[in-house]
Amino acid sequence: SYVLTQPPSVSVAPGQTASITCGGKNIGDKSVHWYQQKPGQAPVLVVYDDSDRPSGIPERFSGSNSGNTATLTISRVEAGDEADYYCQLWDSSSDSRHFYVFGTGTKVTVL
Amino acid sequence: QVQLVESGGGVVLPGGSLRLTCAASGFIFRGYAFHWVRQAPGEGLEWVAVISYDGIKTDYADSVKGRFTISRDNSKKTLFLQMNSLRSEDTAVYYCARDPELIWDGKPFDYWGQGSLVVVST
Repeated sequence: SYVLTQPPSVSVAPGQTASITCGGKNIGDKSVHWYQQKPGQAPVLVVYDDSDRPSGIPERFSGSNSGNTATLTISRVEAGDEADYYCQLWDSSSDSRHFYVFGTGTKVTVL
Repeated sequence: QVQLVESGGGVVLPGGSLRLTCAASGFIFRGYAFHWVRQAPGEGLEWVAVISYDGIKTDYADSVKGRFTISRDNSKKTLFLQMNSLRSEDTAVYYCARDPELIWDGKPFDYWGQGSLVVVST
């Protein structure tokens, strides 16, 4: 099955930039989505289709995807951005079975 | 506004059964596919199952295939997850999530419920 690997944690100072990677074989050929999850809350979509933002999500959140790595970038980090972040994609590479896959998750800590 | 509210969680013995319910409001329920996603304590997200807008098509993660059944009642705007032969590794918060399409095709989940905790333990 398809595996998505994220760093367990990323620490960043307020006002700086946080980059969260999501590694997978030829992930650049797939559409990647990103969710933010704060403690005790449901996930919230922050980036979809590699780099698009849902309405209401600040422009500080951006994404890219190429080769074997997708990246979520949070610019001008704020205390409220502290959360777990998950990448996700739909693995349709098999003719017989298609699966939704989540990354292992990254905890972003704002120093 | 869109609301998804899960219920039915609780403590169950290994080998037991439980049915989760997700009540929807604020949108046309029959116009969307739905998913169940779970999260074990302190762990990441795991996709569990999906159902098409009309309930005809379904799919499951290998970890639950043959034990869990997803279904829906469009007249009552309700999604279900019937969980049988439960194991300790099924312990998790279970979320229902809306797919923006009639039949899933890789789009992101746009709305999520707050989750229902299932504990499988003696």
